[in-house]
Amino acid sequence: DVKVTQSSRYLVKRTGEKVFLECVQDMDHENMFWYRQDPGLGLRLIYFSYDVKMKEKGDIPEGYSVSREKKERFSLILESASTNQTSMYLCASSLTSGSTDTQYFGPGTRLTVL
Amino acid sequence: GQNIDQPTEMTATEGAIVQINCTYQTSGFNGLFWYQQHAGEAPTFLSYNVLDGLEEKGRFSSFLSRSKGYSYLLLKELQMKDSASYLCAVRDKAAGNKLTFGGGTRVLVKP
Repeated sequence: DVKVTQSSRYLVKRTGEKVFLECVQDMDHENMFWYRQDPGLGLRLIYFSYDVKMKEKGDIPEGYSVSREKKERFSLILESASTNQTSMYLCASSLTSGSTDTQYFGPGTRLTVL
Repeated sequence: GQNIDQPTEMTATEGAIVQINCTYQTSGFNGLFWYQQHAGEAPTFLSYNVLDGLEEKGRFSSFLSRSKGYSYLLLKELQMKDSASYLCAVRDKAAGNKLTFGGGTRVLVKP
């Protein structure tokens, strides 16, 4: 079974703090993704990575950055957290970018920015 | 861009059938996924359609019509544990094969 883990289930931070969200997958997947999920808006793609040290902007990258130094780990960074970044953050991975490849999700991190 | 529409909420009775519709507009359709997400948990993969027709997996079936930009997820013999959100997601070649998700349909199964 594919396992995608995220460093925290719940996180509370203050406005202006730097926040790191970590994601690790154990199935040697090439692709990793960060989404945020908000009521009524569904999952929206923030950033993704097809390989180590490679990153691509998703649909809503503003206010975020990412790091992929190792194949199994993909980090999402909020340089200066703001209240509008309060959300559920979901990490996902897939084997390749082939059309049939399924994305497998981690349990999510619910971030609250005060 | 892409536009994916699905109903916000549906209610059904245990043992019944529910059909969740999903319509989409995309320039380079390359597959449609359905995920199930229980409250507070990660989305889990249910089904994948890339060709027209029906894919059946036990109590769950998914249908696709590419010419109509339409899919549905059919849940048969509903059980209380089927109460969850169901997410429709479309893969688009023109967008680098990224997935775009609809807002999700929350299904409530009542006894």
